[in-house]
Amino acid sequence: DAKTTQPNSMESNEEEPVHLPCNHSTISGTDYIHWYRQLPSQGPEYVIHGLTSNVNNRMASLAIAEDRKSSTLILHRATLRDAAVYYCILGLGGSQGNLIFGKGTKLSVKP
Amino acid sequence: EAGVVQSPRYKIIEKKQPVAFWCNPISGHNTLYWYRQNLGQGPELLIRYENEEAVDDSQLPKDRFSAERLKGVDSTLKIQPAELGDSAVYLCASSPSPPGRETQYFGPGTRLLVL
Repeated sequence: DAKTTQPNSMESNEEEPVHLPCNHSTISGTDYIHWYRQLPSQGPEYVIHGLTSNVNNRMASLAIAEDRKSSTLILHRATLRDAAVYYCILGLGGSQGNLIFGKGTKLSVKP
Repeated sequence: EAGVVQSPRYKIIEKKQPVAFWCNPISGHNTLYWYRQNLGQGPELLIRYENEEAVDDSQLPKDRFSAERLKGVDSTLKIQPAELGDSAVYLCASSPSPPGRETQYFGPGTRLLVL
């Protein structure tokens, strides 16, 4: 299974944008890029996913590099509730494989 | 719509005792996953079901762990006997179809402490 590399931790100020990077240099053509986050004492929750084009939803935006070897999760205005561990995961496009979680990036949001 | 339900939420047992965790996935979700999450780590897949069939149990320690998914709905994960190193959060997740493109929906987890 393809692996991802994320910074261990990041800090942000409340109401400012946050850019969470992820490197996935061994991504294959059919791998989807998924982002999940895990709030303290909760199970992970889905944030966003994409294949090639940039994606937007009510929670965040996903910017995917043209060569797909990296991506960035963008939180447009961080709130205290966004403090969590963010996981960048590659999921195979077919029925093969599973989502392999790394350690993720722990995001702290300062008021 | 109800989410993934897990019980119990917390369990404290002594080593060598058996323990079981129960999961009720989202209605209509054919794929069910059990994960284990150690402190400070991401979740690790233990087993994945497609309906009632275990299609990936390569990471399940089969000497002490067992799982079943009767009628392709609810699932139970059992540990017998438990060891100190089994202390972790056990997460259940479900999705409408096999992984890769589909969103997985996670339950709140069962926090197990083995003394």
